[in-house]
Amino acid sequence: QKEVEQDPGPLSVPEGAIVSLNCTYSNSAFQYFMWYRQYSRKGPELLMYTYSSGNKEDGRFTAQVDKSSKYISLFIRDSQPSDSATYLCAMKGGTASKLTFGTGTRLQVTL
Amino acid sequence: DGGITQSPKYLFRKEGQNVTLSCEQNLNHDAMYWYRQDPGQGLRLIYYSQIVNDFQKGDIAEGYSVSREKKESFPLTVTSAQKNPTAFYLCASSITFRRGAGGTGELFFGEGSRLTVL
Repeated sequence: QKEVEQDPGPLSVPEGAIVSLNCTYSNSAFQYFMWYRQYSRKGPELLMYTYSSGNKEDGRFTAQVDKSSKYISLFIRDSQPSDSATYLCAMKGGTASKLTFGTGTRLQVTL
Repeated sequence: DGGITQSPKYLFRKEGQNVTLSCEQNLNHDAMYWYRQDPGQGLRLIYYSQIVNDFQKGDIAEGYSVSREKKESFPLTVTSAQKNPTAFYLCASSITFRRGAGGTGELFFGEGSRLTVL
C-alpha cells in the first residue's frame, strides 16, 4: 500500500463547476500538506500549502486537511479551462522525514 | 525574471551513453533537488544539495551522479549504470533545505527534461 493515495482520473467537469480533488494517506506523522499544479509537459508549481489540520483559502482555491481521517482535499470554485492540469498532493512529517508525493489527478475543464 | 532553467527539454540517448542534464537557478536559493517522474508514480527524489559543495543521495540515487560547485547550478548525470533511464526529470530548489524537502516542503520546480533512451 502506498503512503499517499490519489485517484489518477481523468476528472472531466464543465466550466463553472466546483471541483473536489482528494488524497488519503496512512502516515499519521504527516503535518505539512501541499498541493502542486502541473500543466502538460511542465514542472509542478506550488498552489497551496497548509500546516496541520484546518482550511486555507486563496481566491478560488480552498485546501482542507482532516488529520483524524487522514484525508486532504483541494476545492476549486468556478472552474475555468485554464485549470485543466494535473494536481499533485504532497506531504511530510517533521524535518527528518521525506517529502512524499501523490501520483496526481488529471483534471479537464470543458467549455 | 527569477526562476529555474532546465536544459535540454528533450534528449535522446543510446544505451550505454552517459548524459548530463543542466539545472540553473537565479532565485538565490540554497537548496536544490533532482526528482524523477514516471507515469503512475509520484515524484521520486534522486539527489539533493543543501548548500554549495554538499549533496546527498535521495531514494533512487543508483546510476546517477551530481555536483554542486556553484550555488546557481546543480547538474545531473545519468550514467550507463541506470537501468531504466527513460523518464521526465525535474530540478527544484527551495530557499533553504528547512523550507524545502527538509522542512515544510515548499519547492520551486523547473520545466523538466524528458530523456528517452533508444
